[in-house]
Amino acid sequence: KQEVTQIPAALSVPEGENLVLNCSFTDSAIYNLQWFRQDPGKGLTSLLLIQSSQREQTSGRLNASLDKSSGRSTLYIAASQPGDSATYLCAPEYGNKLVFGAGTILRVKS
Amino acid sequence: ETGVTQTPRHLVMGMTNKKSLKCEQHLGHNAMYWYKQSAKKPLELMFVYSLEERVENNSVPSRFSPECPNSSHLFLHLHTLQPEDSALYLCASSQQLLAKNIQYFGAGTRLSVL
Repeated sequence: KQEVTQIPAALSVPEGENLVLNCSFTDSAIYNLQWFRQDPGKGLTSLLLIQSSQREQTSGRLNASLDKSSGRSTLYIAASQPGDSATYLCAPEYGNKLVFGAGTILRVKS
Repeated sequence: ETGVTQTPRHLVMGMTNKKSLKCEQHLGHNAMYWYKQSAKKPLELMFVYSLEERVENNSVPSRFSPECPNSSHLFLHLHTLQPEDSALYLCASSQQLLAKNIQYFGAGTRLSVL
């Protein structure tokens, strides 16, 4: 069974800190892996997509790494801001479907 | 605005009602998806459509009936639902069905079954 675990479940930090969000998946036969952000009461916004052949992907203050063989991905957020407060979801893709983790709820305090 | 619009945003229905959720994408995509997000559970894929044909049915009860009349519209018809079906229902689309395509999500319909 394909399962995705995200650690920590929740995180509260002061503004300016560098953050690490972890994702692990049981089936390493992925096509790619996406990180999403979900704001309360809203849909998901794709942040980064890492293809299975890539090791990392960067967008602004966000950097995602992928270790496919060990079934792990990490999302780094540099110099966190209150506007980064949201739930962050990891989703490896298997064929036609994404399998989601439960997410990490992030709160950045000003 | 992500280009994927879902209506209604909120819906309250009784267990004997029949209602429909609507999703429309303005991105020219060929694949569309329905997801269910229950409280304290990960997002679950329900249905996948590619070029108006259903290609994935993730063991969803028959009280949920999808319809894709064209590549821009996706419906989820609901009938005789149970209280445990209360959840946020999200629609998404992607350029193609195959891997390496980013999925774009709508804001969702918050469904409450009384």
